[in-house]
Amino acid sequence: TQLLEQSPQFLSIQEGENLTVYCNSSSVFSSLQWYRQEPGEGPVLLVTVVTGGEVKKLKRLTFQFGDARKDSSLHITAAQPGDTGLYLCAGEDNTDKLIFGTGTRLQVFP
Amino acid sequence: DVKVTQSSRYLVKRTGEKVFLECVQDMDHENMFWYRQDPGLGLRLIYFSYDVKMKEKGDIPEGYSVSREKKERFSLILESASTNQTSMYLCASKWGGYQETQYFGPGTRLLVL
Repeated sequence: TQLLEQSPQFLSIQEGENLTVYCNSSSVFSSLQWYRQEPGEGPVLLVTVVTGGEVKKLKRLTFQFGDARKDSSLHITAAQPGDTGLYLCAGEDNTDKLIFGTGTRLQVFP
Repeated sequence: DVKVTQSSRYLVKRTGEKVFLECVQDMDHENMFWYRQDPGLGLRLIYFSYDVKMKEKGDIPEGYSVSREKKERFSLILESASTNQTSMYLCASKWGGYQETQYFGPGTRLLVL
């Protein structure tokens, strides 16, 4: 069974700080997706990265796919309370199903 | 906008009861999925379906079954609920093919007493 490990599991920071979330696996994925989930809602897609080494930016969020397509990172610059939520990475396997990571719960205090 | 709806947001059932969780999507998506979400474990795939009347086991199908009689509707069935099936259940749908976005419903929080 493919596994995706996310770290850290919990992150509690002050508004304005920077943070990085990591998503690691021993398996190669055809693409890697990042989702954010808010309380009482289902996950919502933030970004999909496809090519090894690819970097995508979404305002203050920067996503990177590892060169070997086994790992990814999410960096948030100047975090805001609105960034609070559960961040999930998900690797797409060779049958186009998603393998989800264990999740990182982020709390940003004003 | 894609909309995925789930029949209940909260359910309380007793051990041994048969439980039906319904999911409906309005985008004519071919693929539909049922996950359960538990703290520290992320989302785990229970069953999925690539087309009407088709179903495939995911990673944790034991104790569950599914039904897809119409393209827009995918039902998850707990034949005899047990306390270890207390969880958040999420339904998702997407177009067939790679790198397509999965759209999730709001989830059903099930408590089995």
